[in-house]
Amino acid sequence: AQRVTQPEKLLSVFKGAPVELKCNYSYSGSPELFWYVQYSRQRLQLLLRHISRESIKGFTADLNKGETSFHLKKPFAQEEDSAMYYCALSLNQAGTALIFGKGTTLSVSS
Amino acid sequence: GAVVSQHPSWVICKSGTSVKIECRSLDFQATTMFWYRQFPKQSLMLMATSNEGSKATYEQGVEKDKFLINHASLTLSTLTVTSAHPEDSSFYICSARVAGVFFFGPGTRLTVL
Repeated sequence: AQRVTQPEKLLSVFKGAPVELKCNYSYSGSPELFWYVQYSRQRLQLLLRHISRESIKGFTADLNKGETSFHLKKPFAQEEDSAMYYCALSLNQAGTALIFGKGTTLSVSS
Repeated sequence: GAVVSQHPSWVICKSGTSVKIECRSLDFQATTMFWYRQFPKQSLMLMATSNEGSKATYEQGVEKDKFLINHASLTLSTLTVTSAHPEDSSFYICSARVAGVFFFGPGTRLTVL
């Protein structure tokens, strides 16, 4: 079955430190991977999509099919990055929903 | 980006009553919408896929007679929680996909007393 694993429930770092939020997936087909972010009291919003290969708010993520990973990275964390981050998998089939990991809370303190 | 709205944003009801939650796509048409449930500090769990003009597809373990979904138009899907009980209290979120990206509504917080 398809699955998304985010091993860290909470990641606490200091401002300016590098950040890496881990995400692994299991799917035998050709997946689409996403990172969504949910700031306090706000709706989920797209952060990154693997096929776009762009950097948003300083975050990057590379799809590693060999390791079935899609880790999210940022070289220098900012306090405003504190939020819940969800890695999600789409089966890339019409009409199918996103499958979410359990999420990682990122806490950036000064 | 595309905008998905939900109404109401929060609702409190008595046990045994039914509650309807609306999900609208404001600037696009959605033949398919997705309904999720989110418990406090937990991830989103897919409940069902709503298809315009046809029956919804429910995930395993989700009672279709309890969570009635109607997708009568290309811009509106509704989720009705029938005979609500306190264990149905949760945050319900709808989503739709546009140009490969999933957009989410702000969610509806349901509290059943």
